Amino acid sequence: IVLTQSPATLSLSPGEKAALSCRASQSVSSQLVWYQQKPGQAPRLLIYDASNRAADIPARFSGSGSGTDFTLTISSLEPEDFAVYYCQQRISWPPTFGGGTKVEIK
Amino acid sequence: EVQLVESGGDLVQPGGSLRLSCVASGFAFSTYAMAWVRQSPEKGLEWVSTIGATSTKTHYADSVEGRFTVSRDNPKNTLFLQMNNLRAEDTALYFCAKYLSVSSGSIFDSWGQGTLVTVSS
Repeated sequence: IVLTQSPATLSLSPGEKAALSCRASQSVSSQLVWYQQKPGQAPRLLIYDASNRAADIPARFSGSGSGTDFTLTISSLEPEDFAVYYCQQRISWPPTFGGGTKVEIK
Repeated sequence: EVQLVESGGDLVQPGGSLRLSCVASGFAFSTYAMAWVRQSPEKGLEWVSTIGATSTKTHYADSVEGRFTVSRDNPKNTLFLQMNNLRAEDTALYFCAKYLSVSSGSIFDSWGQGTLVTVSS
């Protein structure tokens, strides 16, 4: 299953709302995961099964969607949120990742 | 606190071998499936292999099937990846990752910092 993330880069200011898209080449039901990765760090689990926040993830992060279209929303960007975000499907083997969306400071 | 510490990455010639290790702490290692995921600028994040909690089940990406072997030593809280017949396209940062729960499927809730494998002559 191929995951396509858009846009590749999102330029926003702190306090703004971010909406990141992940589109699957076939239905993944709700079995879609989101990670955040900062430079020099490992990915960090944010959202699993499309809309469930992982432990210790702030409420400003939310996920939505089902089937083939998913969105990660950051309601109000904090300075620490500027990073690369990846989606991943877990409905079928092999688990696959999208190419990422970089959220950068405008 | 969950900690995963990888080691074993190195510069190796094409056709060579490496064994990666990942020492786990802070959780009941023997009850969780574990995975290896790699990352390169060319391919991005790529799942490599998964092993079940008791080693009875293993899965591999097509790109490494027959060349890589995943294993674990539960009493020593250690995950391994034996990599043989290495190719240039195996060059990547290799992460070990923990599954979220026994029944979660491929949701990786903790990751190590990675160990770098470079395949070049």
